[in-house]
Amino acid sequence: AQSVTQLDSHVSVSEGTPVLLRCNYSSSYSPSLFWYVQHPNKGLQLLLKYTSAATLVKGINGFEAEFKKSETSFHLTKPSAHMSDAAEYFCVVSPNTGFQKLVFGTGTRLLVSP
Amino acid sequence: GAVVSQHPSWVICKSGTSVKIECRSLDFQATTMFWYRQFPKQSLMLMATSNEGSKATYEQGVEKDKFLINHASLTLSTLTVTSAHPEDSSFYICSATPPGRINYGYTFGSGTRLTVV
Repeated sequence: AQSVTQLDSHVSVSEGTPVLLRCNYSSSYSPSLFWYVQHPNKGLQLLLKYTSAATLVKGINGFEAEFKKSETSFHLTKPSAHMSDAAEYFCVVSPNTGFQKLVFGTGTRLLVSP
Repeated sequence: GAVVSQHPSWVICKSGTSVKIECRSLDFQATTMFWYRQFPKQSLMLMATSNEGSKATYEQGVEKDKFLINHASLTLSTLTVTSAHPEDSSFYICSATPPGRINYGYTFGSGTRLTVV
């Protein structure tokens, strides 16, 4: 069984300050982990993915995440927030084999103030 | 690559009518597609897995007769909300990925906002 916990429902930052969105996972298998971003009334866009290669994963728009097996975490970070980063972010886990269902976290809304 | 197109983006229908939502993989063949429902300010809930040429697999609690899924070709899956009621109003999203590329992440359609009045 797999599950994902996003520890914060909302995160507020000022433009230009670092972003940290926290995600912990539970998986019976060696998982694949993803971060997706969703802007209002839009579909989901893949930010980055971990698939058992390098533990520090770099994604689009300056985001990166580090897979820490000992802590079962996959936190998303960005050094400097932009106004355009304001959106909903989902941490997602999937088994690393075959066509399997994605398990979504509950989402974290990132608010960026000027 | 790996583009998924969803249509329409939004639809308003009268209670009791049926609405069809299309999900197309534009540059790859998708033997499997997934349909999700998203309530306001909530996460995505998997409704069903659509399999080309066979019956869809529905998640527990999802009414098969209300949410009809057809995956008649390798590039098209449709979700039909039958006899829609206001409680069916929601944001519906499909996703797919090229075979052998699941580890590259699933591609999502842009979603369909359904409002039943």
